[in-house]
Amino acid sequence: NAGVTQTPKFQVLKTGQSMTLQCAQDMNHNSMYWYRQDPGMGLRLIYYSASEGTTDKGEVPNGYNVSRLNKREFSLRLESAAPSQTSVYFCATNWGPTYNEQFFGPGTRLTVL
Amino acid sequence: AQSVTQLDSQVPVFEEAPVELRCNYSSSVSVYLFWYVQYPNQGLQLLLKYLSGSTLVKGINGFEAEFNKSQTSFHLRKPSVHISDTAEYFCAVSPRGGSQGNLIFGKGTKLSVKP
Repeated sequence: NAGVTQTPKFQVLKTGQSMTLQCAQDMNHNSMYWYRQDPGMGLRLIYYSASEGTTDKGEVPNGYNVSRLNKREFSLRLESAAPSQTSVYFCATNWGPTYNEQFFGPGTRLTVL
Repeated sequence: AQSVTQLDSQVPVFEEAPVELRCNYSSSVSVYLFWYVQYPNQGLQLLLKYLSGSTLVKGINGFEAEFNKSQTSFHLRKPSVHISDTAEYFCAVSPRGGSQGNLIFGKGTKLSVKP
């Protein structure tokens, strides 16, 4: 029971390259989230998915796309990476008696040169 | 809409001293409240939560927090810190009754425990 897994752990891109960050959860929960973490900014929500087949924008969606492939998997795609997207990306899923808690993956550290 | 303010971006403290990390929030609806901890180069881990009931909640590693509705605060405390408590701490809120369970985070407080 791994909880939430993210791949890759580290990635370096050049400006304009594309890539997909993968997230999978084995907790059988409906909601999944993508956040980015920047120094002094806390965590900011990029996109979330309340259930399979649905996605919604969060606070900072520009430059990103997402796919909720099935209940387990929620991917984040950067079509044309920019240096401003250098960040640590966390995936999360709901947890707890009210489903308002979130359980986080280990993160992907992305650098865009 | 909700917002969270963590009043101190950095808190240095000596080992075995008490510490309080302050969190205030703003919301037009009732909220659930959380503290998360992030150790260096790791993900976020839930430290404690307030869902209902007693306003004093206890979490892991000897931390506790008190929900004060009138002051819209949820300050985190520990009576005696250890070097291993060095980490970044995030306060977060989630609106009650919200179907998405979205969390709104503060910007974090870096706790540095010195020997």
